[in-house]
Amino acid sequence: GQQVMQIPQYQHVQEGEDFTTYCNSSTTLSNIQWYKQRPGGHPVFLIQLVKSGEVKKQKRLTFQFGEAKKNSSLHITATQTTDVGTYFCAGPGETSGSRLTFGEGTQLTVNP
Amino acid sequence: KAGVTQTPRYLIKTRGQQVTLSCSPISGHRSVSWYQQTPGQGLQFLFEYFSETQRNKGNFPGRFSGRQFSNSRSEMNVSTLELGDSALYLCASSYLGLAHNEQFFGPGTRLTVL
Repeated sequence: GQQVMQIPQYQHVQEGEDFTTYCNSSTTLSNIQWYKQRPGGHPVFLIQLVKSGEVKKQKRLTFQFGEAKKNSSLHITATQTTDVGTYFCAGPGETSGSRLTFGEGTQLTVNP
Repeated sequence: KAGVTQTPRYLIKTRGQQVTLSCSPISGHRSVSWYQQTPGQGLQFLFEYFSETQRNKGNFPGRFSGRQFSNSRSEMNVSTLELGDSALYLCASSYLGLAHNEQFFGPGTRLTVL
């Protein structure tokens, strides 16, 4: 079945450093979504990418969708302590409906 | 608009018991999905309900079941609990449950099986 893989599993950075997490799908995706889960919290939707090669920015966060629509990345510039959490990518299932297949997530810690 | 609510927030059960978890979606949302989150397996899809019908089902045993009511509220039930069922159970609602719809997650129910 469909698999979504994400690396790295953990990332520790000093405040001000950049951070990148990568997501790869075993199948072509119609879209990819990114979620953030703060420690003790629940996943919160960040963004959705739909087009091949699409790049979207949200302040210090840059999201990219690969040309083949099988990979994606999230890059954070100059991390802050508020960026702490686990970042998940998720792709729609192979059947209709809102089923999402999540990557394992990248847990980001930021040292002040 | 109120967010997704889940009750109870915490549950402690013993092996062999059964449990029912409840989820109230955002008003107007018709799709409710359930996910199990564990440290080892991450976020795993359980099932999705849309207009009172199960539309998708993940790879979980038949001990896991659910339903949706006419007001879109949903419940999931786990029977004959096992230690491995200890997890955070999250429900997510979306407007029409389409593949490109953003999903809104509730705070989750933390289930501990002793």
